[in-house]
Amino acid sequence: DAGVIQSPRHEVTEMGQEVTLRCKPISGHNSLFWYRQTMMRGLELLIYFNNNVPIDDSGMPEDRFSAKMPNASFSTLKIQPSEPRDSAVYFCASSFRGLDTEAFFGQGTRLTVV
Amino acid sequence: AQSVTQLGSHVSVSEGALVLLRCNYSSSVPPYLFWYVQYPNQGLQLLLKYTTGATLVKGINGFEAEFKKSETSFHLTKPSAHMSDAAEYFCAVSEGDTGRRALTFGSGTRLQVQP
Repeated sequence: DAGVIQSPRHEVTEMGQEVTLRCKPISGHNSLFWYRQTMMRGLELLIYFNNNVPIDDSGMPEDRFSAKMPNASFSTLKIQPSEPRDSAVYFCASSFRGLDTEAFFGQGTRLTVV
Repeated sequence: AQSVTQLGSHVSVSEGALVLLRCNYSSSVPPYLFWYVQYPNQGLQLLLKYTTGATLVKGINGFEAEFKKSETSFHLTKPSAHMSDAAEYFCAVSEGDTGRRALTFGSGTRLQVQP
């Protein structure tokens, strides 16, 4: 398997623009996680899905952020409108059925909002 | 609620020396514990995990960690550091068999290996 695939790898956008980050989890995995990594706050869980259903979105910073998982093989994280403080590396991760299995991470999307 | 504390944001060792990265956790239920490594501009890669059973767990690249419930610790060790071990290391906890599988991460420890 190719692993968790995220696109784009890098995104530079202007403040106020809409940004969409994409994730393809590993085939067969039933949990998907979006994390944000910054120097100041480290790795923060934004939202996670189980069987395509959002389970916990308490980490989503504000209404400007939204995430969807329309099917088992695709998820998006959207920021509208974007702000400079959204600049970070966004990671998607997925894990398999079974509670003791680990999460596999994608390479991340580095977002810069200018 | 869960939390992870990693003591020391930066650790520097000489090549061949012992590596010890500290992790303490807080969890209201029996935890599952993980160590991940992150190389520059890369995602996180699992080094090792503890779920149940043997409290001393071995991982990739010669790393191991011991779960000590009484100390709420899960320190990462490697007997002899190699230059290629230079990276950032993250300890993480999940809520074990309650089903909440999202990881809570510590703030990370950057390991430097001096020649």
